[in-house]
Amino acid sequence: AQSVTQLDSQVPVFEEAPVELRCNYSSSVSVYLFWYVQYPNQGLQLLLKYLSGSTLVESINGFEAEFNKSQTSFHLRKPSVHISDTAEYFCAVSTLSGTYKYIFGTGTRLKVLA
Amino acid sequence: DVKVTQSSRYLVKRTGEKVFLECVQDMDHENMFWYRQDPGLGLRLIYFSYDVKMKEKGDIPEGYSVSREKKERFSLILESASTNQTSMYLCASSLERGHSYGYTFGSGTRLTVV
Repeated sequence: AQSVTQLDSQVPVFEEAPVELRCNYSSSVSVYLFWYVQYPNQGLQLLLKYLSGSTLVESINGFEAEFNKSQTSFHLRKPSVHISDTAEYFCAVSTLSGTYKYIFGTGTRLKVLA
Repeated sequence: DVKVTQSSRYLVKRTGEKVFLECVQDMDHENMFWYRQDPGLGLRLIYFSYDVKMKEKGDIPEGYSVSREKKERFSLILESASTNQTSMYLCASSLERGHSYGYTFGSGTRLTVV
């Protein structure tokens, strides 16, 4: 069975500091990997995704994530956060066969402090 | 951009009422999904549909049913609302079964059952 683990439920960080949000997954088949962001009182928005090719993927607002197959991880990083990055971040995995099930982690709440 | 519209942002219903949550997407997506989101539990899949008049149970279908009479509309029905169904409900759609494009989410409906 597939699973996604986000170990950190909350991450406080000061503005302009770097941040890493961790995501580990377990799957017996190939997967696509995704990060979504949810701002307060809104739905989730796709932030970035890894399908194949370069293991480092970037978003338009400065976030990046690196697929590490040996460690089954897809951690999200930003070198310098802004107050506006305060949100909840969800890692998700989609299997490439069978039921094409899409599995979300439990989310990490990023709080950027002034 | 694809839009997923959920008819209500906030709903308050009484225990035992039949509740309808409506979701409409405007770009011919094949797949539609209903999730509920609860603190610490992340997103849990209730029902999904890969085609008109087709539905499949997700991980927590008990107490819910769905209807997909038209491709663009996917309704979630709480047959007899209970207080443990108080939650944020998120509708999503995706272009194809492999989910390589990711999901597009609606803004959510926060349902309170009293």
